Amino acid sequence: KQEVTQIPAALSVPEGENLVLNCSFTDSAIYNLQWFRQDPGKGLTSLLLIQSSQREQTSGRLNASLDKSSGRSTLYIAASQPGDSATYLCAVDYGGSQGNLIFGKGTKLSVKP
Amino acid sequence: EPEVTQTPSHQVTQMGQEVILRCVPISNHLYFYWYRQILGQKVEFLVSFYNNEISEKSEIFDDQFSVERPDGSNFTLKIRSTKLEDSAMYFCASSGGAGVVTGELFFGEGSRLTVL
Repeated sequence: KQEVTQIPAALSVPEGENLVLNCSFTDSAIYNLQWFRQDPGKGLTSLLLIQSSQREQTSGRLNASLDKSSGRSTLYIAASQPGDSATYLCAVDYGGSQGNLIFGKGTKLSVKP
Repeated sequence: EPEVTQTPSHQVTQMGQEVILRCVPISNHLYFYWYRQILGQKVEFLVSFYNNEISEKSEIFDDQFSVERPDGSNFTLKIRSTKLEDSAMYFCASSGGAGVVTGELFFGEGSRLTVL
């Protein structure tokens, strides 16, 4: 069964710290991997999409890497801010254009001022 | 910036009642999806829709569920006879404009369904 796991489940850091969120998946034959942000009671905001042929993607203070052979992706957040506090979800697409994403349970990040 | 919009934001219904959740996907997108998230659990895929037909559905998407694109802008999810376990946040998403093949999904803010 294809599973996506995110560690840690929760993380609390002081403002300004650089941090890494981890995502692992059981089947390396992925089409792409997408990182989302979810604020409490809200929808999912797409942060970064990495195609299976790519190793990393960057957007502002965010950098996502992909290592298919080891079944891992990391989301690196530089110089964290209180506004980064949210749950970060990793989702893997195995099916091409069908959009059947398999989600991890997320990492709940709290950045303290 | 284009966005996916969903209505209602919250609906409370009695068990056994029919519910229709509505979505307006991003206007030039061709692929549409419904996902759900039961409180405290993972986001789960329900169904994908392309070219006016279902392209894939999960085992959750049983005969009680149906989807429709009644016009050029709306995409709906109908639950025929709601059960307590249907209580969840339902997310609509869309992807894939003409010439775009990245597969990046864009989600709406969700419709919270509470079944009493």
